[in-house]
Amino acid sequence: TQLLEQSPQFLSIQEGENLTVYCNSSSVFSSLQWYRQEPGEGPVLLVTVVTGGEVKKLKRLTFQFGDARKDSSLHITAAQPGDTGLYLCAGASEGGGSQGNLIFGKGTKLSVKP
Amino acid sequence: NAGVTQTPKFQVLKTGQSMTLQCAQDMNHEYMSWYRQDPGMGLRLIHYSVGAGITDQGEVPNGYNVSRSTTEDFPLRLLSAAPSQTSVYFCASKGDSGSYNEQFFGPGTRLTVL
Repeated sequence: TQLLEQSPQFLSIQEGENLTVYCNSSSVFSSLQWYRQEPGEGPVLLVTVVTGGEVKKLKRLTFQFGDARKDSSLHITAAQPGDTGLYLCAGASEGGGSQGNLIFGKGTKLSVKP
Repeated sequence: NAGVTQTPKFQVLKTGQSMTLQCAQDMNHEYMSWYRQDPGMGLRLIHYSVGAGITDQGEVPNGYNVSRSTTEDFPLRLLSAAPSQTSVYFCASKGDSGSYNEQFFGPGTRLTVL
């Protein structure tokens, strides 16, 4: 069974601080996605990384896929209260098995205080 | 273009009752799926479908049935609700069976089984 370990589970920081969220597995994934979820709503896709070593930037958010495609990180620079939410990583099976079903990590609940 | 819609938003059931959670999408997506989200557990796949007439089990299918008679609709049925099925349920869809496509999530149904 493929598992995605996400850490930390909770993170409470002050506005302006930097933070990194990690997503790790012993399995290889063909791609990895990061979603953000706000209370009472469904997750919304932030980014998809596909190539080992790939780095993508979305404003103050930087996403990296590990060289071996087993892990990923999300770094937020100068966090703002609007970044508050639940961040989820999700991996797609290597080889496209199970029609590309996603395996989700348990999430990181981020709170950014003004 | 409404995306993915789910009804009802909230539901309270007594143990043993049955109900159907509705899900519809207007993006002509072939792939649809149902997840449940529990505190500290992330999103877990219940059932999925790669097209009308085709369904398959995910990670936690017991106690749930699905059918896919049209591309647009993918209802989730609880035949005899149990307190362990208290959760938030999300329906999602994506463009094809490839693993890189974004999953679009509905707003969720919060179910309580007493």
